[in-house]
Amino acid sequence: NAGVTQTPKFRVLKTGQSMTLLCAQDMNHEYMYWYRQDPGMGLRLIHYSVGEGTTAKGEVPDGYNVSRLKKQNFLLGLESAAPSQTSVYFCASSTGQGGTGELFFGEGSRLTVL
Amino acid sequence: GESVGLHLPTLSVQEGDNSIINCAYSNSASDYFIWYKQESGKGPQFIIDIRSNMDKRQGQRVTVLLNKTVKHLSLQIAATQPGDSAVYFCAEISTGTNTGNQFYFGTGTSLTVIP
Repeated sequence: NAGVTQTPKFRVLKTGQSMTLLCAQDMNHEYMYWYRQDPGMGLRLIHYSVGEGTTAKGEVPDGYNVSRLKKQNFLLGLESAAPSQTSVYFCASSTGQGGTGELFFGEGSRLTVL
Repeated sequence: GESVGLHLPTLSVQEGDNSIINCAYSNSASDYFIWYKQESGKGPQFIIDIRSNMDKRQGQRVTVLLNKTVKHLSLQIAATQPGDSAVYFCAEISTGTNTGNQFYFGTGTSLTVIP
C-alpha cells in the first residue's frame, strides 16, 4: 500500500518556467490537499479538493492551479514560476466527512526557482 | 484565518526523560485536534488525535491533553528516545460540510533528544 505518492521529489526551475506536481493516492480518499511548507511558516494550504472534478482555493492560492480529473490524482501546476514559490510542497489526502479527519501526507516535493 | 501557535520553537531533553510540547489555539469552535511528527526530509505523520468532547487521550508512550478553557493542547512523550527527535506540529481542525476539513497548523516545535 503506497499511500500518498508525489512526483517529482526535487525540481529546479528558472523564473517563468512552468511545471506540474503530481499527487497520487491509493486509499480511495475523497479529500485531497496541496500545502507548501516554508521555514518558520508552518504548513499553508494552497488548494484542496473535496471530490473528483472539484477544486477550491486555500490560504495561498495565487500563482498555482490545480486539477482533480481522477479521484486518485491531484495535480498542482505553476504556470510561470517565481522565486517566491521556492518551497517544499506536500500533498495530503483524507477520507472526508464522517471520517477521522486524519491527513495522510506524501514525502514532499522540493522546488527551487532561480 | 485561524491561528495555531506553539509556545516553544525548540526543546531539548535527555534520553529517558519525559517531553512536553505545548500548543495554543484560537478557535473555540474547533472540534478536532491532531499532533503530527515530521522527521527531516519526510512528510508529517499522525501521532495522536483528540476530539473537543475529550480532555485526555493516551496512546503508546504519548498522551494528549486538551484544555478548552484556556485553548491549550499539549503532547506528552514518555521515556523519550533518540528516534523521537523531530518537529512536532499541532493541527486544529474545523470539520465543515463540503468545504474539506479545514486544518490549521502551528509552526512546529523541534524536539532534540540528547543521548
